Amino acid sequence: GENVEQHPSTLSVQEGDSAVIKCTYSDSASNYFPWYKQELGKGPQLIIDIRSNVGEKKDQRIAVTLNKTAKHFSLHITETQPEDSAVYFCAATGPNTGNQFYFGTGTSLTVIP
Amino acid sequence: DTEVTQTPKHLVMGMTNKKSLKCEQHMGHRAMYWYKQKAKKPPELMFVYSYEKLSINESVPSRFSPECPNSSLLNLHLHALQPEDSALYLCASSKTGGGAGGNQPQHFGDGTRLSIL
Repeated sequence: GENVEQHPSTLSVQEGDSAVIKCTYSDSASNYFPWYKQELGKGPQLIIDIRSNVGEKKDQRIAVTLNKTAKHFSLHITETQPEDSAVYFCAATGPNTGNQFYFGTGTSLTVIP
Repeated sequence: DTEVTQTPKHLVMGMTNKKSLKCEQHMGHRAMYWYKQKAKKPPELMFVYSYEKLSINESVPSRFSPECPNSSLLNLHLHALQPEDSALYLCASSKTGGGAGGNQPQHFGDGTRLSIL
């Protein structure tokens, strides 16, 4: 089955700096990669996703890049703000999985004002 | 506000009690999921319903019993739980459960925080 690794497990940045979270996956058939943000006391919220036919996707301050050859994808947050502080999870899935998501272990991001 | 609604938000129960968790979505999604999440860990998949039929059961103990009465509702019936079952239980939904429609984003509720005494 699929195995997703996520790094770093914790990340602290100054407000206004950029943050990068990286994930690797093992199954070359995986073709859909969502990113979730989970704030304290809340459920995971989808913030951006990318499919394997695209190398990069951007939504305002958030971007995701995908390298299929190396089997890794990354989340980039620019101009970080205190409200970006949360736990971020990457996930991967592919065809014939019944839309089952394989999650990374999570990154706790703290943005220091 | 999330479009997947879970009730109750908190639940404390003894090991001999029977209780149910409820999940509702009105987005017209035809796949619904139950997850268990421990502190500082990613969600762990328990069950998947696709078009109201159980399609994935991740070897969950029988003290957890899912039910999908219709395309908008998902229940998780609990009986004789153990202290290690204390966790956040998350419900999610997606347009479809993959297949010909391709993989779809899952939309999560805010969960039920379950404590077993």
